[in-house]
Amino acid sequence: DTGVSQDPRHKITKRGQNVTFRCDPISEHNRLYWYRQTLGQGPEFLTYFQNEAQLEKSRLLSDRFSAERPKGSFSTLEIQRTEQGDSAMYLCASSLGQGANEAFFGQGTRLTVV
Amino acid sequence: AQTVTQSQPEMSVQEAETVTLSCTYDTSESDYYLFWYKQPPSRQMILVIRQEAYKQQNATENRFSVNFQKAAKSFSLKISDSQLGDAAMYFCMTIGTNAGKSTFGDGTTLTVKP
Repeated sequence: DTGVSQDPRHKITKRGQNVTFRCDPISEHNRLYWYRQTLGQGPEFLTYFQNEAQLEKSRLLSDRFSAERPKGSFSTLEIQRTEQGDSAMYLCASSLGQGANEAFFGQGTRLTVV
Repeated sequence: AQTVTQSQPEMSVQEAETVTLSCTYDTSESDYYLFWYKQPPSRQMILVIRQEAYKQQNATENRFSVNFQKAAKSFSLKISDSQLGDAAMYFCMTIGTNAGKSTFGDGTTLTVKP
C-alpha cells in the first residue's frame, strides 16, 4: 500500500455544478477524515468516519456537502451546486485506532470553481 | 471548543542552526494530544512529532523536540541542525484523545538558507 490516495488531483468546475471527490485510505485504517484548506491557512476539519459510520460533521459542512464511506473502505465527498467560495484544497487523511494516532494525509484535490 | 494560534507566519534559519516555532492552544478537552505536522511545497502533510498532554516529559524525535508548557498552553517546536529539507510549512494541531475533530493552526512557513 502506497498511502492515502485522492482522485482527482485537480478539478475545475463551473459555478452551480456538482463535483465528487474520492479518497482511498491506507487499507487497514479504520478512521478517515476530510479537511478543507485554503491558501495561507491550516486545514479545517469537515467530517470523519470510523469504519462506515460518520461520527462528526463540522458546522462548515453545509447541506450542499455530503460524504460517504460505504463498507468502511474508500470515501467520497460530494459538493452540490458549487459556489466560488468552495474553491480550496480538499484533504483526506486516515489513521488506525483512536484519534490521537498519527494521521496519514493524501496529496489533496484542488478545486477551482469558475 | 479548540483554538490553535501560530503567531509566526514566516521564519527563516541558516542551515545547521536551530530554530523554534511557536504554538499556543486552547481546548475544552480534558485529555488531548498535540501534534506538529510538516507540509512541504506541493507534497502531502507528514507527522513531525506528537505529544500526549498527560505526559510532562517533552517529546523528541531526532533533531525535533518540543517544549510543552501545559499550564501556559504552549507547544513550541525546536528544530536543531536545520537542513535544507526542513523547508516547509509547519502546522500545530490538537485533538481530543477519543475525539475525531482536530484543530490546526494557520501554519508557519520555514525557510532554510544555505
